Amino acid sequence: DAMVIQNPRYQVTQFGKPVTLSCSQTLNHNVMYWYQQKSSQAPKLLFHYYDKDFNNEADTPDNFQSRRPNTSFCFLDIRSPGLGDAAMYLCATSRGDRGTYEQYFGPGTRLTVT
Amino acid sequence: AQKITQTQPGMFVQEKEAVTLDCTYDTSDPSYGLFWYKQPSSGEMIFLIYQGSYDQQNATEGRYSLNFQKARKSANLVISASQLGDSAMYFCAMKNSGGYQKVTFGTGTKLQVIP
Repeated sequence: DAMVIQNPRYQVTQFGKPVTLSCSQTLNHNVMYWYQQKSSQAPKLLFHYYDKDFNNEADTPDNFQSRRPNTSFCFLDIRSPGLGDAAMYLCATSRGDRGTYEQYFGPGTRLTVT
Repeated sequence: AQKITQTQPGMFVQEKEAVTLDCTYDTSDPSYGLFWYKQPSSGEMIFLIYQGSYDQQNATEGRYSLNFQKARKSANLVISASQLGDSAMYFCAMKNSGGYQKVTFGTGTKLQVIP
C-alpha cells in the first residue's frame, strides 16, 4: 500500500545531542511537510518542500533543519535538542499543483529529550 | 492570512447518537479547501473528509458529513451514530489553492463517546 513512513516511532535523545528523524513516502507526492505537535495542541508547521524548493516558517527555530535528497525521502535534523523540543513530529505529504488536496500523514515520531 | 477556529475544546456524546463539531474559518482567497482529521491517542492523523470552496453539495463520507455554510464561513463536522472508536481529537484544517502549500489547523476538539 502507498503510504507515509516515519522512523523511528519513538526516539530518545540527550539534551544537546543532534538527532535526525526520517520520513519516506511511496505516494510520489510533490509536497512534504514537517510538523511539531505538543500535547493537546494543534500541529505546528515547521517547514515544507515543494519538490526541491524549501519553505521555512518564519517562527521555526534555526535549531531545526531539513533535507530532501529525493522525492521519496525527507529528514528533520535537530541540531541541539532542548527539553522544549520534546514533542510528536509528524511528516505529511500532498499533491502539489494548484489544487486543494488533502495531506497524508505518517504515524509520527515521538521525541523525548533527557 | 487564513485562520481556523474551533471553539469546543471538549465534547461528550452518547454512543449511537449524532454529534456536531464546530469549525469556522477566515480567508480572503476565493478558492480553498477544508479538511477534517481525526487523531486517536496513538497520534496518527487520519483524513476524514474534504470540502472544496466551489463544491455545490456538502461532502459526505460514510458516517461523516460536512455542513458547509459558505456565507457564514463555517464547516462543521457531523458524525452520525457515534461509536466508542470515535473518541479522539478532531482537527479542522484549511488549505488555499495557490502555489504556497501551507495548511492551517484549528486547535482541535476532543470528543469522548460514552457507552
